[in-house]
Amino acid sequence: DAGVIQSPRHEVTEMGQEVTLRCKPISGHDYLFWYRQTMMRGLELLIYFNNNVPIDDSGMPEDRFSAKMPNASFSTLKIQPSEPRDSAVYFCASSPHSVEQYFGPGTRLTVT
Amino acid sequence: GENVEQHPSTLSVQEGDSAVIKCTYSDSASNYFPWYKQELGKRPQLIIDIRSNVGEKKDQRIAVTLNKTAKHFSLHITETQPEDSAVYFCAASAQVDSSYKLIFGSGTRLLVRP
Repeated sequence: DAGVIQSPRHEVTEMGQEVTLRCKPISGHDYLFWYRQTMMRGLELLIYFNNNVPIDDSGMPEDRFSAKMPNASFSTLKIQPSEPRDSAVYFCASSPHSVEQYFGPGTRLTVT
Repeated sequence: GENVEQHPSTLSVQEGDSAVIKCTYSDSASNYFPWYKQELGKRPQLIIDIRSNVGEKKDQRIAVTLNKTAKHFSLHITETQPEDSAVYFCAASAQVDSSYKLIFGSGTRLLVRP
């Protein structure tokens, strides 16, 4: 099993640009989570899906953030427009039953 | 909502000594408590977890204890080795419908000195 796959691994963009982060969960896992990690705020849950349906998006910081899961093997997190304070490591995690979560390698986003 | 506090924020121990990291939680409905280890530049990885119907769980040099009355849980690492150096996160989760939502502590940076 390849584990959770995220792309890109690193993203550098200018303020105001649209950013799309991608995640492929482990096959057979019903739950998918998006987290953001910063030194100041630690690991924050942004949104999670169950069977491709968003369950809780209360952690999404602003309307500039949106997430989709069009099928069981793919999810995106989009930031539009991006701002320097969005700079962070974004992790995707998946779970077979939402308890034991397996994290992807993360995407390090830098917004200049 | 749930709030998880973790202490200490940094911990330095001599190789071979024990390390203890403590967490408290606020939601009495929480019933799942995992611990994650994150090495520098890597992903968080689950190392051990405990559910509310158990008071203690061990896996080789790692153990976790849970006190539901006091709403705190701890990670114990014995015979520490340099490769144990990492940031450790505790988390708590309460089941809502069929879903769990992990709330993480702020992390403890453990340094094991050779």
